[in-house]
Amino acid sequence: EVQLQQSGPEVGRPGSSVKISCKASGYTFTDYVMNWVKQSPGQGLEWIGWIDPEYGSTDYAEKFKKKATLTADTSSNTAYIQLSSLTSEDTATYFCAPSDWFAYWGQGTLVTVSS
Amino acid sequence: DVVLTQTPPTLSATIGQSVSISCRSSQSLLHSNGNTYLHWLLQRPGQSPQLLIYLVSRLESGVPNRFSGSGSGTDFTLKISGVEAEDLGVYYCVQGTHAPYTFGAGTKLELK
Repeated sequence: EVQLQQSGPEVGRPGSSVKISCKASGYTFTDYVMNWVKQSPGQGLEWIGWIDPEYGSTDYAEKFKKKATLTADTSSNTAYIQLSSLTSEDTATYFCAPSDWFAYWGQGTLVTVSS
Repeated sequence: DVVLTQTPPTLSATIGQSVSISCRSSQSLLHSNGNTYLHWLLQRPGQSPQLLIYLVSRLESGVPNRFSGSGSGTDFTLKISGVEAEDLGVYYCVQGTHAPYTFGAGTKLELK
């Protein structure tokens, strides 16, 4: 059974950075790209980008290229997203979702930006 | 970027009613490899999204067969044949043919 365990809620001050993890199990970590998706409060879904854990290659939506950094550690089957220069616009729930067609989803990690 | 337009934004249904949701793309979603990367998700209140249909019409394992998907090119439809209470939530189409991947704005299914 595929399981994705994301790290807990984060509170970040404006201008700071946060790093969220997504630990995968139940499948071969390098078989699927890992997508990251943002959901602002009460809003829809927004694709941030993906990372190919096998090669470390990444692709980002244009608006997230300076905001998000995706990494992956194949030794621990864990993917990460770091969000930098936090503003109130970054307050959202962030999901990891492997596979080309979003077949699996983590439980989401709430990031709150507050001073 | 590819824009996915979902209609209607809100859908009110009674239990047992059949309903359809449309997803129209600003560009053809037929990939050069012959696949069409258009998928449907359901997000129940307070939950993560779940995959219902992938590659236009393929039913994800464990998803009831009252859900079906159809379409090609730029026009796609999700049909629920006999709404059940557990089907309530927000439905999203998502495309993975063209980078960046994009989602429709969602269709909220409510009980009438």
